[in-house]
Amino acid sequence: ETGVTQTPRHLVMGMTNKKSLKCEQHLGHNAMYWYKQSAKKPLELMFVYNFKEQTENNSVPSRFSPECPNSSHLFLHLHTLQPEDSALYLCASSQDFGARTAQYFGPGTRLLVL
Amino acid sequence: AQKVTQAQTEISVVEKEDVTLDCVYETRDTTYYLFWYKQPPSGELVFLIRRNSFDEQNEISGRYSWNFQKSTSSFNFTITASQVVDSAVYFCALSDASAGGTSYGKLTFGQGTILTVHP
Repeated sequence: ETGVTQTPRHLVMGMTNKKSLKCEQHLGHNAMYWYKQSAKKPLELMFVYNFKEQTENNSVPSRFSPECPNSSHLFLHLHTLQPEDSALYLCASSQDFGARTAQYFGPGTRLLVL
Repeated sequence: AQKVTQAQTEISVVEKEDVTLDCVYETRDTTYYLFWYKQPPSGELVFLIRRNSFDEQNEISGRYSWNFQKSTSSFNFTITASQVVDSAVYFCALSDASAGGTSYGKLTFGQGTILTVHP
């Protein structure tokens, strides 16, 4: 089974909608991440969860709300988004949170905000 | 602050050519890790290699090889005899290993290099 899965793969939403992105990892990892990938910009780390505890919020607007109910699942709840939030949202996991630990990524959710 | 620069935005080669992707990094830390990831059109980043700052030995894995030179803060990636399946965006990334630092454990990515291999 694929290590890190994300659903949906594509999402179109209006600025007043509420939607959620889901990530699941099947690697037995303890750390999970949300990244945003916009055109012509480096990947931006949004949130980090280590053993279900949020350890990093990289100055992300409150219209993005993460949730990590267990070490295998990570959600990103979206509400009142702006067109500039359109991007590829990538989830990743790693054995633990540390400098030497490789992160394994899912295929991403391509989000379009109209 | 950490920074990773991949000066080559796009590279186009013909199959079987060798190609080198450049990566230059900046960090004040003496302990750090460097990574290369591949992002095919399907979207997910695929982990290729990790190198720590104390190990300057070059590495070869099949058609892939990596040249780490601390003196020039570079970690270049070479694909030998490129194939169409190598077409992807390649990212170099840096992770600070100084415990207690604000950037500890976080990956700083370069802008990526789009590699297109033509048949």
